[in-house]
Amino acid sequence: QQPVQSPQAVILREGEDAVINCSSSKALYSVHWYRQKHGEAPVFLMILLKGGEQKGHDKISASFNEKKQQSSLYLTASQLSYSGTYFCGTGNAGNMLTFGGGTRLMVKP
Amino acid sequence: NAGVMQNPRHLVRRRGQEARLRCSPMKGHSHVYWYRQLPEEGLKFMVYLQKENIIDESGMPKERFSAEFPKEGPSILRIQQVVRGDSAAYFCASSLAGGENQPQHFGDGTRLSIL
Repeated sequence: QQPVQSPQAVILREGEDAVINCSSSKALYSVHWYRQKHGEAPVFLMILLKGGEQKGHDKISASFNEKKQQSSLYLTASQLSYSGTYFCGTGNAGNMLTFGGGTRLMVKP
Repeated sequence: NAGVMQNPRHLVRRRGQEARLRCSPMKGHSHVYWYRQLPEEGLKFMVYLQKENIIDESGMPKERFSAEFPKEGPSILRIQQVVRGDSAAYFCASSLAGGENQPQHFGDGTRLSIL
């Protein structure tokens, strides 16, 4: 069963913040975050492993709550280049990832 | 270019023909994953291969679809007797090692259109 992402879509003005959530009905061992621009390959952003850790680089960070079986991606002071569809992929102690349906983010000037 | 290479970028086939999609992983990577993506949808796992072995094919239809990753050469996703419903973007990803704690790096995909 695929993880549920929310919101499905969000529109921001440059400089605004956004949070994208990813929830799973199964126990999570890892969460991967990717960004995909239209017609392009998904680009790896970060991976979080179980343990409630938080990671980040530049103005994009993420948290992983193992008990709640969810992860959140935080985008602060958004830039035009942040536009795209964000996918979370969840690992459930196997080899494969199960991806959510995506969150479409549009950043306007 | 040291990234994941997929070819062709676009492939058009008529119903009943065969489609062959190729994927060369990043240099040094021996783990390959195939995903299918329909427009405006997420990535659906199909198959996971390590050199010469299929590790997990739970997402791949049992009929008409097959995948291989030979000792030499690229990984191949083969679709026989294609139907309209096979139209999609097919992405390949590779990782340095196996397991869910490894980042996967994606190729640009092959967009398959069935006439």
